[in-house]
Amino acid sequence: AQKITQTQPGMFVQEKEAVTLDCTYDTSDPSYGLFWYKQPSSGEMIFLIYQGSYDQQNATEGRYSLNFQKARKSANLVISASQLGDSAMYFCARDQGAQKLVFGQGTRLTINP
Amino acid sequence: DAGVIQSPRHEVTEMGQEVTLRCKPISGHDYLFWYRQTMMRGLELLIYFNNNVPIDDSGMPEDRFSAKMPNASFSTLKIQPSEPRDSAVYFCASSSNEGGTEAFFGQGTRLTVV
Repeated sequence: AQKITQTQPGMFVQEKEAVTLDCTYDTSDPSYGLFWYKQPSSGEMIFLIYQGSYDQQNATEGRYSLNFQKARKSANLVISASQLGDSAMYFCARDQGAQKLVFGQGTRLTINP
Repeated sequence: DAGVIQSPRHEVTEMGQEVTLRCKPISGHDYLFWYRQTMMRGLELLIYFNNNVPIDDSGMPEDRFSAKMPNASFSTLKIQPSEPRDSAVYFCASSSNEGGTEAFFGQGTRLTVV
């Protein structure tokens, strides 16, 4: 099975610092998409950012950016100027064709005041 | 649009009972997905539909699980009979037919089978 690996079960960061959440993936497909979702304690899944495998630029959305290294098969999420509200579970996912997603196990991020 | 709507938000049922989870996708979306989230297995895809047709149900754990999509605005996931190991959060998600678009998730249904 093609896997998504998030090696950091938990991360603790001081407020206002930047944080990088790691994600590596398996694939033999030439074309694919990578997604990051946030799951706060309330439980909903919130889409954050998308990177296509053929995109020339790293994706950015506000304070979120994606450090995409295709040769290394990594798609790390960078959150700049972290806020208390960023405390949540973060999931990396890859599409497996036809929009269906396979998810990593997630990283629990805690922002300390 | 109100987003993906799931009901109920919480369900507690006794082992052996039938459970039906409901989902209304975002209007105009061609794809509908049912995911299950547990501590042990994380988020896993159970089944997905394209234009109301089931495309891949390989993630459905066993015959006790079934899903239908009678029209573009409604889908159900049924468990009959339910077992304690079915306790999980079940998410419905929908997306459009365009490549590179994200899936929008509902709030989830937290199922507890006692």
